[in-house]
Amino acid sequence: HVQLQESGPGLVKPSETLSLTCTVSGGSTTNFDWSWIRQPPGKGLEWIGYMYDSGRTSYNPSLKSRVTMSVDTSNDQFSLKLKYATAADTAVYYCARLGGGIAGVGAPPYFDFWGQGTLVTVSS
Amino acid sequence: SYDLTQPPSVSVSPGQTASITCSGDKLGDRFVSWYHQRPGQSPVVVIYQDDKRPSGIPERFSGSNSGNTATLTISGTQPLDEADYYCQAWDNNYVIFGGGTKLTVL
Repeated sequence: HVQLQESGPGLVKPSETLSLTCTVSGGSTTNFDWSWIRQPPGKGLEWIGYMYDSGRTSYNPSLKSRVTMSVDTSNDQFSLKLKYATAADTAVYYCARLGGGIAGVGAPPYFDFWGQGTLVTVSS
Repeated sequence: SYDLTQPPSVSVSPGQTASITCSGDKLGDRFVSWYHQRPGQSPVVVIYQDDKRPSGIPERFSGSNSGNTATLTISGTQPLDEADYYCQAWDNNYVIFGGGTKLTVL
C-alpha cells in the first residue's frame, strides 16, 4: 500500500523559498507522475505541477515562473521549491501520485494516493 | 484557460440521491475524475475516467459525462458522505480542478 508523507518548514518568511519534500513508501517513484497540490485555508484545491521520474514536468501557468520540482528515485522522494513566497502562498500542501496511466499518453491518470498534507504559513 | 464550474453547495436527505454537477466547455470530450474531502482530511478519489470506481469505493457512487456537464451521483446518501467534492479534468498537460461543492446531508 503506497503512502506519501510531506515534510518541510511550517513557517516561511516572505520573499524566501518554500521547500517541501514528499517521501514515498510502499512503492517506487519510477514510472509514475508525481504532483503537488495546495489548498489555502477554507478554499479549494489548486494544482501546482507534476513531474515524471525522467524529468518531464508540467507546471501551473500561474506559478510556473516560481516553481521547481525534482524527483530522487534512489531515495523515493520528490520535492517542491516555490520561490519568492508571499502570504498568498499560505496553504496546506499535498503531494500526490498520478496513477492509472501516464500524463499525455492514452487515458489520463488521476490522483490515486495523497499525502496527509502539511500547512505552510508565509509570515514574518 | 479552461474552467470547471461546480455549484458551491448541494443538500440531500439521508437515503436520497445526491447529484453534483461539473460544467465546462465540451467537457464530455475529456475524462473527469471526482474526489471527496472530509474536514481535516486529504482528498480521496471516488470516480475516475468519468465513470470508473476505484476499489474500496461503494457502489452508491457513480459518474457520467456528456456534452458540457459531468455528474457525480450518490445513491442512498449516507451521513458519512457529507464532504466537499471536487471534479478534475485535464487541459492538454495541465490539471484543472473545479471550485468544489459542499455536500450537506440533513
